[in-house]
Amino acid sequence: DSGVTQTPKHLITATGQRVTLRCSPRSGDLSVYWYQQSLDQGLQFLIQYYNGEERAKGNILERFSAQQFPDLHSELNLSSLELGDSALYFCASSVAKTGGAGYTDTQYFGPGTRLTVL
Amino acid sequence: AQKVTQAQTEISVVEKEDVTLDCVYETRDTTYYLFWYKQPPSGELVFLIRRNSFDEQNEISGRYSWNFQKSTSSFNFTITASQVVDSAVYFCALSEAQRGSTLGRLYFGRGTQLTVWP
Repeated sequence: DSGVTQTPKHLITATGQRVTLRCSPRSGDLSVYWYQQSLDQGLQFLIQYYNGEERAKGNILERFSAQQFPDLHSELNLSSLELGDSALYFCASSVAKTGGAGYTDTQYFGPGTRLTVL
Repeated sequence: AQKVTQAQTEISVVEKEDVTLDCVYETRDTTYYLFWYKQPPSGELVFLIRRNSFDEQNEISGRYSWNFQKSTSSFNFTITASQVVDSAVYFCALSEAQRGSTLGRLYFGRGTQLTVWP
């Protein structure tokens, strides 16, 4: 168990709908990352938040958005869903080490949310 | 740009055989971090190892060992005396540090499906 939790585990919805995926990072971790895993694209980085602020953005569609709340949990919102959005969505967390010790940091992944768009 | 290549898409071995998974990376950064993750059939991503660019020591953990060679930009993973439970998809990943020592996004290879037959 990585200590990162994601809900729901499975989500089945229809095209055009909107869903919200939730992630709780490991206790004390300040950074949250979202990744999408599909057969076509493999594991792709979507977005990162650090202590409530957006830190980096990857191949995230405009229909997707995310935020990190004061308690450090994060939500990924997917709207106007298309068939191609069906994928496994992972959240990962890590904590920034002070004093330039980033070399000790690691991303730990949650169990993922499997989204199926019909 | 950062890139990770895992040329072996699938590998099949018989139990107790040794197997090496290859990983080649590209980056212009002088400081970077390399990772291996395991994705068993259940789907979660399990962290195996992190290696820093300035630490070329090889590492052994039980039946697992990693060979990091900067000269060839490779970070290969060997499983000794493989077992059926080792069957999974293995991902190699690359990251760089961000400001404030935060760990940056992961760039993943496409993964190697390892099947160990009894």
